[in-house]
Amino acid sequence: RKEVEQDPGPFNVPEGATVAFNCTYSNSASQSFFWYRQDCRKEPKLLMSVYSSGNEDGRFTAQLNRASQYISLLIRDSKLSDSATYLCVVNKASGTYKYIFGTGTRLKVLA
Amino acid sequence: EAGVTQFPSHSVIEKGQTVTLRCDPISGHDNLYWYRRVMGKEIKFLLHFVKESKQDESGMPNNRFLAERTGGTYSTLKVQPAELEDSGVYFCASSLGGVANTEAFFGQGTRLTVV
Repeated sequence: RKEVEQDPGPFNVPEGATVAFNCTYSNSASQSFFWYRQDCRKEPKLLMSVYSSGNEDGRFTAQLNRASQYISLLIRDSKLSDSATYLCVVNKASGTYKYIFGTGTRLKVLA
Repeated sequence: EAGVTQFPSHSVIEKGQTVTLRCDPISGHDNLYWYRRVMGKEIKFLLHFVKESKQDESGMPNNRFLAERTGGTYSTLKVQPAELEDSGVYFCASSLGGVANTEAFFGQGTRLTVV
């Protein structure tokens, strides 16, 4: 079983739609959680950190459920420019700072 | 301010040859990481430097890979001799005070093809 699991997609949605991605992680001692965005042949860029209390940044909302060990990302009012791969990233337990990446979920927003 | 820069952007080498990848982190970032993505797989951690010291090299695949960060500034990752399975995109990232709750900034990567 992978340490971080994501549905690879692709998710094809029309402009204006709401789309949700989930991600599960296996290490209950994981400490930090992130969503990164990666455009084709580009580097990953931080979209948002994920906190237990949930956090929102404009059209994007991230949630963390520690009990069930899953992380979610909700995108409202999808734009064409949201088309990308969304990477779920988990920072393992203390003593190391390495990121564990999911394989990513591909999103394509259609006109 | 310059971001994380990597050189070269692409490299095509023959099996058995040596390749050296370079990463210049963001100025002032003590933490430097190397990651790799092979075809169809997720991005995987290779190692972590704090200044010039290797903090965690648990992800290095084998002894054909050697990473250095002399002087605690730029880093190099040498693959010698390269094998076909080493093909992939090698990302470097840097952060200020450790990855935990601190954004890691990624370079654009070096696409390595071993033929």
